[in-house]
Amino acid sequence: AQSVSQHNHHVILSEAASLELGCNYSYGGTVNLFWYVQYPGQHLQLLLKYFSGDPLVKGIKGFEAEFIKSKFSFNLRKPSVQWSDTAEYFCAVNALNFGNEKLTFGTGTRLTIIP
Amino acid sequence: ETGVTQSPTHLIKTRGQQVTLRCSSQSGHNTVSWYQQALGQGPQFIFQYYREEENGRGNFPPRFSGLQFPNYSSELNVNALELDDSALYLCASSLAGTGSNTEAFFGQGTRLTVV
Repeated sequence: AQSVSQHNHHVILSEAASLELGCNYSYGGTVNLFWYVQYPGQHLQLLLKYFSGDPLVKGIKGFEAEFIKSKFSFNLRKPSVQWSDTAEYFCAVNALNFGNEKLTFGTGTRLTIIP
Repeated sequence: ETGVTQSPTHLIKTRGQQVTLRCSSQSGHNTVSWYQQALGQGPQFIFQYYREEENGRGNFPPRFSGLQFPNYSSELNVNALELDDSALYLCASSLAGTGSNTEAFFGQGTRLTVV
């Protein structure tokens, strides 16, 4: 079975700092990879996704992520964070060999941006 | 807004009772997945319905059951509620065959509290 690890449970940054959130997954087959964000009181929103092709994917709000297959990683980055980026961030993987769109999520990283 | 609506938004039940949660999928979507998100955790996959048939199930007991209707809306039923069932229940819809490259759109969830 696949699993997802997010090593940073709570990250606190000042505005304009650079961000990198780690995500590693365990599954040897083909995967689709996602980062979701959950703002306080709001639904999960897709930040970006990787299906195939260029391993560097760009998403909304200036976020990007790089898929490194050899490291089973899909880290999220943003060069300069804003106070409005305060939220919970979830990495998720869909293992394509199971014939459904089951998403396996990490435990999430709570990001707090200090103005 | 994702077009995925869930009802009710909040619910309080007593241990041993039964509960039904509802989800209307985004227009045109044929697949609905249900997730349980306990406090401080990532969403956990309960099951998925594709064209009214269960298409994958997570590690949840049989007292968690579901339905999908011809209009692709869905219900999650939980019997014999336990205190540990207290969580945010998320519905996600997508347009999929089996294992295709799709993204899931989440509703705002139903907060279930079991007392």
